Amino acid sequence: QAVVTQEPSLTVSPGGTVTLTCGSSTGAVTSGHYPYWFQQKPGQAPRTLIYDTSGKHSWTPARFSGSLLGAKAALTLSGARPEDEAEYYCLLAYSDGRVFGGGTKLTVL
Amino acid sequence: EEQLVESGGGLVKPGGSLRLSCAASGITFNRYNIHWVRQAPGKGLEWVSSITSDSNYITYRDSVKGRFTISRDNVKNSVSLQMNSLRAEDAAVYYCATFSTVSDYWGQGTLVTVSS
Repeated sequence: QAVVTQEPSLTVSPGGTVTLTCGSSTGAVTSGHYPYWFQQKPGQAPRTLIYDTSGKHSWTPARFSGSLLGAKAALTLSGARPEDEAEYYCLLAYSDGRVFGGGTKLTVL
Repeated sequence: EEQLVESGGGLVKPGGSLRLSCAASGITFNRYNIHWVRQAPGKGLEWVSSITSDSNYITYRDSVKGRFTISRDNVKNSVSLQMNSLRAEDAAVYYCATFSTVSDYWGQGTLVTVSS
């Protein structure tokens, strides 16, 4: 199965903007991979932020947005807040199943 | 209350078996695909297996194919994961979840420990 890659860690200043990316070992990430982005805080189950590249749930803060950026899926956080400090995982769908990326630990500092 | 509740985790010896269950309440269970996702202590999320709402399409990660079996009962609103020939690398918290364009429910997880 494919390998999905994410930045291991990123740091953003409060109020700043940061982009997390999600790549695939099989080539360009497309909408056909139905990229999901999950946020997980310590001791909690994950929660979906973005589905199908850019879809948002009612609980997704407006400061989060999803897109395709070049050959990757991307999660952009604009106006970071301290409570956004968490681990972020992307998930891609393939014909034989799904694969999570290794996660990005986002520090707001 | 809308929730998924896992059970069945525990300590098992390498080569042993466990059956995890996921019970749904407060949701229209038969509409949703269900996924099992695991997380080893201090590690990232790993997708394990998925089953469609009608059980017609089932997928597994390569490392569990032939050892794990997912199934569901839409009358009992439950999903099971039968895990055989367990290995040390299968040790993790196992979550059942449904995530889609219209849903996002996760259980609290059940811990599987594989050790002699």
